[in-house]
Amino acid sequence: ELKVEQNPLFLSMQEGKNYTIYCNYSTTSDRLYWYRQDPGKSLESLFVLLSNGAVKQEGRLMASLDTKARLSTLHITAAVHDLSATYFCAVGGGSNYKLTFGKGTLLTVNP
Amino acid sequence: SAVISQKPSRDICQRGTSLTIQCQVDSQVTMMFWYRQQPGQSLTLIATANQGSEATYESGFVIDKFPISRPNLTFSTLTVSNMSPEDSSIYLCSLWSGQGTDTQYFGPGTRLTVL
Repeated sequence: ELKVEQNPLFLSMQEGKNYTIYCNYSTTSDRLYWYRQDPGKSLESLFVLLSNGAVKQEGRLMASLDTKARLSTLHITAAVHDLSATYFCAVGGGSNYKLTFGKGTLLTVNP
Repeated sequence: SAVISQKPSRDICQRGTSLTIQCQVDSQVTMMFWYRQQPGQSLTLIATANQGSEATYESGFVIDKFPISRPNLTFSTLTVSNMSPEDSSIYLCSLWSGQGTDTQYFGPGTRLTVL
């Protein structure tokens, strides 16, 4: 059974600081996704990582994937308040494209 | 990306009743999924709904409790049957985008409260 672990689950940051969210998964997979969820909202797709060594960046967020270590990271650079949200990683497995989600990281960026 | 709508957006129901949630997509998609997000929790896949075949349920979810229909490539329904307060959750439909962008997009969700 595929298990996905995220840490930390709660992250309080000051504006301007850098931090990294980690996503470990238990079995081989070639698909790793990062989503953002604002309170009371649905999920917004941030990144799709499909190969070992993949790195994608959008604004202050950068995601990477190491399939050998079964690890993905979401790095936040110079955080701003607008980044406050819950971030989920999800791992895709098999030919049916279903996703297994981590528990999410609640990020709060304080002025 | 496809536009996904869900109805109702929220509802408050009495225990023992059933609610059918509709998911409409503005383009034809092969694979649709139904997820549950319990309060303050992550998402759990309920089932995969493919047009023209029976839905495939995940461990812990059964057809009698969560019957799903997929009559065509743009529409699906999920029914939550014989509800109890433990069914209070957000229910989200999603679709797989295809091999171009290879991601899943999520609908806005249906927030269900069972009293």
